[in-house]
Amino acid sequence: DIQMTQSPSSLSASVGDRVSIACRASHNIDNYLSWFQQKPGRAPKLLIYDASILETGVSSRFSGRGSGSNFTFSIASLQPGDFATYYCQQYGSLPYTFGQGTKLDI
Amino acid sequence: QVQLQESGPGLVKPSETLSLTCTVSGASINNYYYNWIRQPPGKGLEWIGFIYFSGTTNYNPSFKSRVTISINTSKNQLSLNLTSVTPADTAVYYCSRDNGGTTPMDVWGKGIMVAVSS
Repeated sequence: DIQMTQSPSSLSASVGDRVSIACRASHNIDNYLSWFQQKPGRAPKLLIYDASILETGVSSRFSGRGSGSNFTFSIASLQPGDFATYYCQQYGSLPYTFGQGTKLDI
Repeated sequence: QVQLQESGPGLVKPSETLSLTCTVSGASINNYYYNWIRQPPGKGLEWIGFIYFSGTTNYNPSFKSRVTISINTSKNQLSLNLTSVTPADTAVYYCSRDNGGTTPMDVWGKGIMVAVSS
């Protein structure tokens, strides 16, 4: 299985800040990586796929980059609604696997 | 607009079988892959397996001996059966959709909480 390691596990920030989350894969996954946002009691929401492509309707304040085994997710100018848990997920190799999550709070 | 909706019992006894259904509405079930993912309370996401509309399946080896995913295209539904459950199987169970191959899960159901307890 490909292990996905996110860092940090938690992150404190303020409205207006820019934050970044790292995700490392234990093996090469090319660019087959998604980023999800999850709020309490809600299903994950796809934000970024293929490492850097913004899902339709998602704010351009969200961005992703990377390929191979190292990836970064960023949020520019944090808004109150951005405080949530973020997960990376690889779909380049079965079984699909997720990072452990990064909780972003104030 | 396609929607996925999980349904089933919210409580299952240990050693019994957990059975859930995911109903696809707003679009045909055909030509897509459907996944089951679960999330224990306060923990991360775990992929259980997928099924293609043709019936082809692939399971996470962590579950392989206990899991069966099936599909009923005439009812626009897919199902998850997980046998011999224990309290460790307590989780929110989600179904999701993707286009297969190396494509992302872009549509998710709201999830259903299932507790395993006597």
